[in-house]
Amino acid sequence: AIWMTQSPSLLSASTGDRVTISCRMSQGISSYLAWYQQKPGKAPELLIYAASTLQSGVPSRFSGSGSGTDFTLTISCLQSEDFATYYCQQYYSFPWTFGQGTKVEIK
Amino acid sequence: EVQLVESGGGLVQPGGSLRLSCAASGFTFSSYAMSWVRQAPGKGLEWVSAISGSGGSTYYADSVKGRFTISRDNSKNTLYLQMNSLRAEDTAVYYCAKTSPYYYGSGSSWYFDLWGRGTLVTVSS
Repeated sequence: AIWMTQSPSLLSASTGDRVTISCRMSQGISSYLAWYQQKPGKAPELLIYAASTLQSGVPSRFSGSGSGTDFTLTISCLQSEDFATYYCQQYYSFPWTFGQGTKVEIK
Repeated sequence: EVQLVESGGGLVQPGGSLRLSCAASGFTFSSYAMSWVRQAPGKGLEWVSAISGSGGSTYYADSVKGRFTISRDNSKNTLYLQMNSLRAEDTAVYYCAKTSPYYYGSGSSWYFDLWGRGTLVTVSS
């Protein structure tokens, strides 16, 4: 199985901040990576697929980058509705795996 | 409107069985692979199983292999998860997820582009 290390696990930030979340793979996965946002009591929602492609309807302040083993999710200007937990997920090979999650909280 | 609605969750004793259903609407169900993902209380996401659009290919996490069976009825636009020999560690919210295909070079796979609201399964005596 491909192991994923997502960091940080907790990120304290203020509205308007630029935040970055990292996801590192135990082996190369090309661009087979997605990012999801989950709010408390809700289902996850797709933000980015193919490492850097923004899902339709997702605000442009979200962006993804990386290829191979190192990936990044960036929120350029944090809004109040962005306080949530974020997960990376590889779909390069089975078993599909998720990162441990990053909770973005209000500072 | 594209929608996924799970049902069938509940309280079951260890060693028991449960069948989850996921009713899909708003898209051509048979054209898309589908999947189940679970989330234990206060924990992260764990992929459980996936099935191709035709139902001819199925995939499982090691933690459920041999105990869970994924299936689909394309005539009813419904996805299923038969769960047997349930354990306390299977307690979780189970999400149904629609996938979309991703092609890169000579390879291809699927990513989750739509999730249901989930159904809670509690395994306890």
